[in-house]
Amino acid sequence: KAGVTQTPRYLIKTRGQQVTLSCSPISGHRSVSWYQQTPGQGLQFLFEYFSETQRNKGNFPGRFSGRQFSNSRSEMNVSTLELGDSALYLCASSRDRGNTIYFGEGSWLTVV
Amino acid sequence: QKEVEQNSGPLSVPEGAIASLNCTYSDRGSQSFFWYRQYSGKSPELIMFIYSNGDKEDGRFTAQLNKASQYVSLLIRDSQPSDSATYLCAVIWTGNQFYFGTGTSLTVIP
Repeated sequence: KAGVTQTPRYLIKTRGQQVTLSCSPISGHRSVSWYQQTPGQGLQFLFEYFSETQRNKGNFPGRFSGRQFSNSRSEMNVSTLELGDSALYLCASSRDRGNTIYFGEGSWLTVV
Repeated sequence: QKEVEQNSGPLSVPEGAIASLNCTYSDRGSQSFFWYRQYSGKSPELIMFIYSNGDKEDGRFTAQLNKASQYVSLLIRDSQPSDSATYLCAVIWTGNQFYFGTGTSLTVIP
């Protein structure tokens, strides 16, 4: 059974640009959540999607957005990139809300 | 303010010893508790979860939960150098949201 797949794995962007990250959950999993991880802040919750609807949202500015498609695949977008957005972005999926979550390998974003 | 607190470490133990990792949480309504392991440069991977008070064992790992004290711990018996990683405690809050502690860095010394 394939795990959570995230693309791209590594990317470098310039300040002011935008970026879109993609996540394919484990087959049969309907909940997808996104996290930002930086050395100083640990794992910070961005948002959770279930049945194409955002169910929870963390304390991030509106530049961070996401969506989920009918096949449970999810994307997150960060607009007007700032240097502080450099981080590992992790997607996690679970069968249903409140179940164990499993992480993808992450997307390493560097903003220069 | 909902919080999950872990001692950031680093925690160093000799090979073959028991490593004890601790986590406290602030929400008395939390029902599900998880331990993840994260190697440097990698994503977190699930070690085990626990829902009921008491101990739960899985191989060399034992999770302990005390809801009255709002405390969950992870014991690693016969620690190996390959256990060197950051261990993340996670709690599900009301509303099905996972909340992670900042992690404890463990080093097992050969």
